[in-house]
Amino acid sequence: GQQVMQIPQYQHVQEGEDFTTYCNSSTTLSNIQWYKQRPGGHPVFLIQLVKSGEVKKQKRLTFQFGEAKKNSSLHITATQTTDVGTYFCAGVALNSGGSNYKLTFGKGTLLTVNP
Amino acid sequence: DAGITQSPRHKVTETGTPVTLRCHQTENHRYMYWYRQDPGHGLRLIHYSYGVKDTDKGEVSDGYSVSRSKTEDFLLTLESATSSQTSVYFCAIRPGPRYPYEQYFGPGTRLTVT
Repeated sequence: GQQVMQIPQYQHVQEGEDFTTYCNSSTTLSNIQWYKQRPGGHPVFLIQLVKSGEVKKQKRLTFQFGEAKKNSSLHITATQTTDVGTYFCAGVALNSGGSNYKLTFGKGTLLTVNP
Repeated sequence: DAGITQSPRHKVTETGTPVTLRCHQTENHRYMYWYRQDPGHGLRLIHYSYGVKDTDKGEVSDGYSVSRSKTEDFLLTLESATSSQTSVYFCAIRPGPRYPYEQYFGPGTRLTVT
């Protein structure tokens, strides 16, 4: 079945440093989504990427979707303590037969920020 | 948060007992999902529903059943709970069916099976 791998598993940074998490799928994706989960909370949708090579920005967060639609990255510039949490990517397989409603999640990257 | 509630929020039960978790939504969304979250495994899909009485299995469905008799409620049942089912369970909805396909999650239920 489809697998989505995410690295690194953990990342600890000093406040102000940059952070990047990478996501790789075993199959071509229709779209990829990113979620953030604060400690003790529930996953919260951040963004969806659909087009090959797409780049989207949300303030200090930059999201990229690879040209082959099999990988993606999330980059945070100048981290803040409010960025603490686990970041998940989640993909929908391209060959899902029109059933575009099942997400396969990566295992997530836990980001901690030292103030 | 998309009007999703889960009950109970915490539960401790003994091995072999049946357990039912409830997900309730107030906005008439068609698609609903049950996930479990375990350290080192991320979120894994248990079952999902694409309408009243329309359900299907996810990647970790063994030992779980679901029912959806009303649009607003999606029930997850552990027929005979085992310690391996100790987890945090999240319900999610998808506003869909069209783009975008994002999901919105409930607050979660922490289940401990002793």
